[in-house]
Amino acid sequence: GAVVSQHPSRVICKSGTSVKIECRSLDFQATTMFWYRQFPKKSLMLMATSNEGSKATYEQGVEKDKFLINHASLTLSTLTVTSAHPEDSSFYICSARETGGAEKLFFGSGTQLSVL
Amino acid sequence: AQSVAQPEDQVNVAEGNPLTVKCTYSVSGNPYLFWYVQYPNRGLQFLLKYITGDNLVKGSYGFEAEFNKSQTSFHLKKPSALVSDSALYFCAVRDGSTGRRALTFGSGTRLQVQP
Repeated sequence: GAVVSQHPSRVICKSGTSVKIECRSLDFQATTMFWYRQFPKKSLMLMATSNEGSKATYEQGVEKDKFLINHASLTLSTLTVTSAHPEDSSFYICSARETGGAEKLFFGSGTQLSVL
Repeated sequence: AQSVAQPEDQVNVAEGNPLTVKCTYSVSGNPYLFWYVQYPNRGLQFLLKYITGDNLVKGSYGFEAEFNKSQTSFHLKKPSALVSDSALYFCAVRDGSTGRRALTFGSGTRLQVQP
C-alpha cells in the first residue's frame, strides 16, 4: 500500500529555535497533504491543509507565521515550527491524499517534538 | 460544521469476545465516515470507510462497521477480539458534499483486550 514517510520521528530542541518536519509520499503523488497536532490522550486537531504549489490553508487559531508549511513538490510537504516554545511540544502527524485516488488518507508515523 | 463523538474513553473486552467501539457523527451534507487505528508513537492506519452503498462495511483485520443514518452512528465491531487489537481507535468524518478534504476526528477510544 501507499506509504507516507515522516521525519524526524523525535526531536528535542531548545526554546527559541526552529524545527523542520518533513512529510514524503513515497510511492504516490499527493496534491494535498494535511498537518495534524495530537496532544496526549486527545484527538488529532487539524492545523492546516497543504496544497502543492500554493499557499497552505490554516485552521482558525493556528498561527501561520509560527507554523510555516511548504509543499514544493507532489511528494514533499514540510512543517517548520519557528521560534519554538515549550507549549509547542506535541505529536505532529502528516497525512496525504493520493492525487485522483480513492477516498483514503495515508498517515506518517508522526513526530514527537519536545521543546525545552 | 462537522463533528464526531466517541463517548467511551476506553473499552475493555476479553479475548475472544465481540467488541464494539461507538461513534456518532454530525455533518450537514453527505457523511463520509472512517475508522483509523493508532498504535503507540505511531501514525494512524486505515481500517475501513463508508462512502456510499451497503451500510455494513468490512475492513482490515476482521473489523467491520455499520452505517446507521437515522441514528447518525458508525460503530466499529469485531466478532472475536484479539489481544493484538489493543490500541487507540479514531472515528472520522468529512462532508462529501463539499470540496474540503480534511477529516474531523473523534477524541479516540482506547481498546484494551485482556487475555
